[in-house]
Amino acid sequence: KAGVTQTPRYLIKTRGQQVTLSCSPISGHRSVSWYQQTPGQGLQFLFEYFSETQRNKGNFPGRFSGRQFSNSRSEMNVSTLELGDSALYLCASSLDAGNQPQHFGDGTRLSIL
Amino acid sequence: GQQVMQIPQYQHVQEGEDFTTYCNSSTTLSNIQWYKQRPGGHPVFLIQLVKSGEVKKQKRLTFQFGEAKKNSSLHITATQTTDVGTYFCAGRPPGSARQLTFGSGTQLTVLP
Repeated sequence: KAGVTQTPRYLIKTRGQQVTLSCSPISGHRSVSWYQQTPGQGLQFLFEYFSETQRNKGNFPGRFSGRQFSNSRSEMNVSTLELGDSALYLCASSLDAGNQPQHFGDGTRLSIL
Repeated sequence: GQQVMQIPQYQHVQEGEDFTTYCNSSTTLSNIQWYKQRPGGHPVFLIQLVKSGEVKKQKRLTFQFGEAKKNSSLHITATQTTDVGTYFCAGRPPGSARQLTFGSGTQLTVLP
């Protein structure tokens, strides 16, 4: 069974631009969560989606948004990029929205110049 | 909001020594999960504890969940160089639609 796939793996953008990251969960998994990982801040929760509905949202500004499609694939969008948005963005899928293990993708490394 | 704290932040041990990382939550948790992230890799699920006072073992790794379900620990006996990485705990408060909060992680270095 294929794992969680995130695209692109690496991305370089400049301040003010916007970016869309994609995540394909493990087949059969209906829950997708997004995390931002930086060296100093660890894993910061962004969003959790289940059956196309956002169940939870972390403490990030409105520039960060996301969605989930009917096939459980998910995208997150960051608008008006800032230097501080440089990070590894990790997507994790799980069978459902309960207390299930999270399976992480390799992440998208976003660098803002 | 819920906070999950983990100590120590860094730990260097000589190969063969034991290692322990501790996880403390500001609120009661319905369960605690542990993950390992190797350098350059992504977090990988290790185990989940659900019951108060639960203890689980995986070879040289021992996981405990506190009686009050607010703290947990991971103990590695006789560390090996393959144990290198960052260990994260993650907990979710009781109730539906509650988010999973990760601890800050403990970065383990094992010196040969």
